[in-house]
Amino acid sequence: NAGVTQTPKFQVLKTGQSMTLQCAQDMNHNSMYWYRQDPGMGLRLIYYSASEGTTDKGEVPNGYNVSRLNKREFSLRLESAAPSQTSVYFCASREFGVGTEAFFGQGTRLTVV
Amino acid sequence: AQSVTQLDSHVSVSEGTPVLLRCNYSSSYSPSLFWYVQHPNKGLQLLLKYTSAATLVKGINGFEAEFKKSETSFHLTKPSAHMSDAAEYFCVVSAFSGTYKYIFGTGTRLKVLA
Repeated sequence: NAGVTQTPKFQVLKTGQSMTLQCAQDMNHNSMYWYRQDPGMGLRLIYYSASEGTTDKGEVPNGYNVSRLNKREFSLRLESAAPSQTSVYFCASREFGVGTEAFFGQGTRLTVV
Repeated sequence: AQSVTQLDSHVSVSEGTPVLLRCNYSSSYSPSLFWYVQHPNKGLQLLLKYTSAATLVKGINGFEAEFKKSETSFHLTKPSAHMSDAAEYFCVVSAFSGTYKYIFGTGTRLKVLA
């Protein structure tokens, strides 16, 4: 099973460029999440989607937009990239509920120059 | 709202000695708690989870954690460290507060000395 698949794995952008990070899961999970990981700060929640058709802001949503395209896919868009958005981005999915664990993609390493 | 605090950003132990990684949580509702491990330049792997059943939870690779409601803690332990345990460890809290957020601590980097 593929689990959670993120594309691309690496990306370099110039300041002001836009791009979309793609995430797809094949586990039929209802909830999906986007995080960014920076040294010493753990994983911070950018946006999440509790179920198909809903999205909500997390801790650090500024500069990002998301789309829950269908139950499988949850994309993250940077409209005008900034150097502060240089980070490793992780997508995750989990079944709806408190006690269910999240499954993570392998991450996208994004550098904005 | 919920949050989690990992009390040590770095922990060093000698191979063969016990490991203790500390995590405190805050939640207005009954939480579920998780520990993940991340090896360098790798993804995240679930070690164990607590979901209101037994308070002592056993995970993979000899790790275990004890949920203590009175202390709002969920510390991760292992009796004997191995070189392969060197990694970053994250404590996660999840509780229903209108929606099901999944909130990470800032991580503890474990170094194992030969």
